[in-house]
Amino acid sequence: EIQMTQSPSTLSAYIGDRVNITCRASENINSWLAWYQQKVGKAPKLLIYKASSLESGAPSRFSGSGSGAEFTLTISSLQPDDFATYYCQQYHSIWTFGQGTRVELK
Amino acid sequence: EVQLLESGGDVIQPGGSLRLSCAGSGFTFSRFSMSWVRQAPGKGLEWVSGVSATGLSTYYSDSVKGRFTISRDNSENTLSLQMNNLRAEDTAIYYCAKMSDSAGYHYFDSWGQGTLVTVSS
Repeated sequence: EIQMTQSPSTLSAYIGDRVNITCRASENINSWLAWYQQKVGKAPKLLIYKASSLESGAPSRFSGSGSGAEFTLTISSLQPDDFATYYCQQYHSIWTFGQGTRVELK
Repeated sequence: EVQLLESGGDVIQPGGSLRLSCAGSGFTFSRFSMSWVRQAPGKGLEWVSGVSATGLSTYYSDSVKGRFTISRDNSENTLSLQMNNLRAEDTAIYYCAKMSDSAGYHYFDSWGQGTLVTVSS
């Protein structure tokens, strides 16, 4: 099973900050990686697929990069609506999620 | 608009059985693979089971293999998860997720609101 490791587990930031979340796979997954946002009490919502493709309707301040085994989700300018938990997920072999990164207000 | 509506969650004793359902609408249900993903209280997301568009191929995580059975009824636009021999560690919100329309590799592009399963004596 492919393991996914996110860092950091918690991130404290100010409104307007540029935020980076890293996701590492235990083996090469090419670009078969998605990012999801989950707010408290809500279902996850797709943000990014195929490592860098922005899902329709997702704000353009979200971007994804990377390939192989190392990936990054970037929020270019953190907005109040962005405080949430973010999960990466590989879909190269079955499906596994990272443990999540909680983004909180500093 | 894609809508996925789960039902069937309940409080159940260890060793018991439960059947979850997910009704899909707003898309051609029979064209898409579907999955169940769960989230234990205060924890992260865990993929549980998936089924191909035709229902002929099914997939399970090691944690539920042999206890859970996924199925679908494309005439009723319904996805199901039969859960047997339930354990305390199966306690979670169970989400139904639609898988993407892409060749070969599928991510989850729409999610239901979830249904809570509590396994407790």
